[in-house]
Amino acid sequence: GAVVSQHPSRVICKSGTSVKIECRSLDFQATTMFWYRQFPKQSLMLMATSNEGSKATYEQGVEKDKFLINHASLTLSTLTVTSAHPEDSSFYICSAATGTAPYEQYFGPGTRLTVT
Amino acid sequence: GQNIDQPTEMTATEGAIVQINCTYQTSGFNGLFWYQQHAGEAPTFLSYNVLDGLEEKGRFSSFLSRSKGYSYLLLKELQMKDSASYLCAAMDSNYQLIWGAGTKLIIKP
Repeated sequence: GAVVSQHPSRVICKSGTSVKIECRSLDFQATTMFWYRQFPKQSLMLMATSNEGSKATYEQGVEKDKFLINHASLTLSTLTVTSAHPEDSSFYICSAATGTAPYEQYFGPGTRLTVT
Repeated sequence: GQNIDQPTEMTATEGAIVQINCTYQTSGFNGLFWYQQHAGEAPTFLSYNVLDGLEEKGRFSSFLSRSKGYSYLLLKELQMKDSASYLCAAMDSNYQLIWGAGTKLIIKP
């Protein structure tokens, strides 16, 4: 149980275009979903926290107009990287939590984004 | 401020035992998580401690001392596949995970 899928697993896009990444909880309802970014050999950096049906809460330094997050249902959240630039190239990982103790986060497999 | 400290890298021998330490400072505390992350992959859950003491799960055990703000992950009978990064994360009063930078564990034959 507690499986989270993420699509696509890898994407290459040109600078200036937008990319959408989907995160789905397959066998449970996720009241809260998290989006992380991880650069090589670095730890996870939380970008934003989203609760179903409400606006996402962004971490300091993360541009909400550039990284659009939608959490329209209890099983789906999307992250759209708008007007992507090469410095946005990274490993993007989503996680989902049920909202009940111990509030463990279940991670998706990640999306490797390369902006050329 | 909130902070997690763990060693950057450790090396151990196949078949041996290794202990990865983690100290934390958070605003409130709702538990300590350990995750394993292989290169290029997402983290996978290993353990959760919220009460003091040792939790054993097969070859892996995790210990917590709340008064000391300290945890460790103990890996026994090391296998080559255990080579990975091990992430310590403490949950604060807002149920947000504060992540350590991870400990890269290198297993040698």
